[in-house]
Amino acid sequence: GENVEQHPSTLSVQEGDSAVIKCTYSDSASNYFPWYKQELGKGPQLIIDIRSNVGEKKDQRIAVTLNKTAKHFSLHITETQPEDSAVYFCAASIRRNTGFQKLVFGTGTRLLVSP
Amino acid sequence: DGGITQSPKYLFRKEGQNVTLSCEQNLNHDAMYWYRQDPGQGLRLIYYSQIVNDFQKGDIAEGYSVSREKKESFPLTVTSAQKNPTAFYLCASSMASTNEKLFFGSGTQLSVL
Repeated sequence: GENVEQHPSTLSVQEGDSAVIKCTYSDSASNYFPWYKQELGKGPQLIIDIRSNVGEKKDQRIAVTLNKTAKHFSLHITETQPEDSAVYFCAASIRRNTGFQKLVFGTGTRLLVSP
Repeated sequence: DGGITQSPKYLFRKEGQNVTLSCEQNLNHDAMYWYRQDPGQGLRLIYYSQIVNDFQKGDIAEGYSVSREKKESFPLTVTSAQKNPTAFYLCASSMASTNEKLFFGSGTQLSVL
């Protein structure tokens, strides 16, 4: 089936702490896993992505890890700052029989970083 | 300054009325998409178009229609058949070669009067 579960739904941390958001996908054929950040009143923006042939990817304070066996992938934000406050969405690709790669999104995590 | 422009930012619909949401991109992307976002839910795919003059239904196409007469434009019409239209609508685009990497517009909030 096509399903991506995301936890937690809300996450509050103090500035400087780390934040971890976890997602689980159902389709073992999924091979692309992006993370999007959505600020209030705006569209989601791609912040990092990973493909199934890689276990971990880092970009400054953010990193994504992938466990294909368990069908889990996670977003890690270190040294959080107030401007990291937003809603974060994970997604997993699903290939339709037409060849089109559709993204299935998680339900989002609202991250609040307090000064 | 390349990007995706959605208009209007806010839109109100009366009972029985069709309304059209605009989406224009100058990224020279081949593929365009429409998603619906409801509070506390993920983004759900309404329609997508991989090339001009062709489009496909997504997961929740009922009550919606689209056209793709130009590469830059992919308007969405919310028809009166859509009984629960109140939502935040997002348009996105991608290159054909990497159609997973989506670039989103800033959205249109549609409400029913």
